Amino acid sequence: KAGVTQTPRYLIKTRGQQVTLSCSPISGHRSVSWYQQTPGQGLQFLFEYFSETQRNKGNFPGRFSGRQFSNSRSEMNVSTLELGDSALYLCASSFKTGQGWTEAFFGQGTRLTVV
Amino acid sequence: GENVEQHPSTLSVQEGDSAVIKCTYSDSASNYFPWYKQELGKGPQLIIDIRSNVGEKKDQRIAVTLNKTAKHFSLHITETQPEDSAVYFCAASTRNNAGNMLTFGGGTRLMVKP
Repeated sequence: KAGVTQTPRYLIKTRGQQVTLSCSPISGHRSVSWYQQTPGQGLQFLFEYFSETQRNKGNFPGRFSGRQFSNSRSEMNVSTLELGDSALYLCASSFKTGQGWTEAFFGQGTRLTVV
Repeated sequence: GENVEQHPSTLSVQEGDSAVIKCTYSDSASNYFPWYKQELGKGPQLIIDIRSNVGEKKDQRIAVTLNKTAKHFSLHITETQPEDSAVYFCAASTRNNAGNMLTFGGGTRLMVKP
């Protein structure tokens, strides 16, 4: 079974531009969460999607947005990029069983550098 | 919201020794506590998790303990090996129908010296 796939792996953007990152969850997983990882702030929750609906949102400005498609694939978008948005963006997927949710499986991340 | 604190931030041990990492959480509603290992250039990978109805869980050289009253949980690695060197993260969550939002601790860089 394929794991969580994130594309692209690396990205360099200029301040003020926008960027879209993609995440394909493990087949059958309908919950997709996004996290930002930086040396200073650690791993911080961005948002979670389930069945194309955003269910939770972290404490990030409105420049950060996302969506989920009917096949559970998810994208996140960051507009008007700032230097501080440079980070590793991680996507995780999970699956609901009769006993509750499975663990969150993480992708390898997209390394975004804003110059 | 939930706040998770993790100590120590770095830990150096000799191969074969034990390593202990501790975390505290603030939200008494949290009921799921996973531990992740992150190697360089990779995403976090779950190594063990525990739910609030269990006090201890063990998987070979790795064990986790949970004290709900004190709101803290710990990771224990015995007989450490060089391949255990990585960054370890604890996390807390309320695994209910509302979602799967994980709040992470700040991470512990474990170095196992051969």
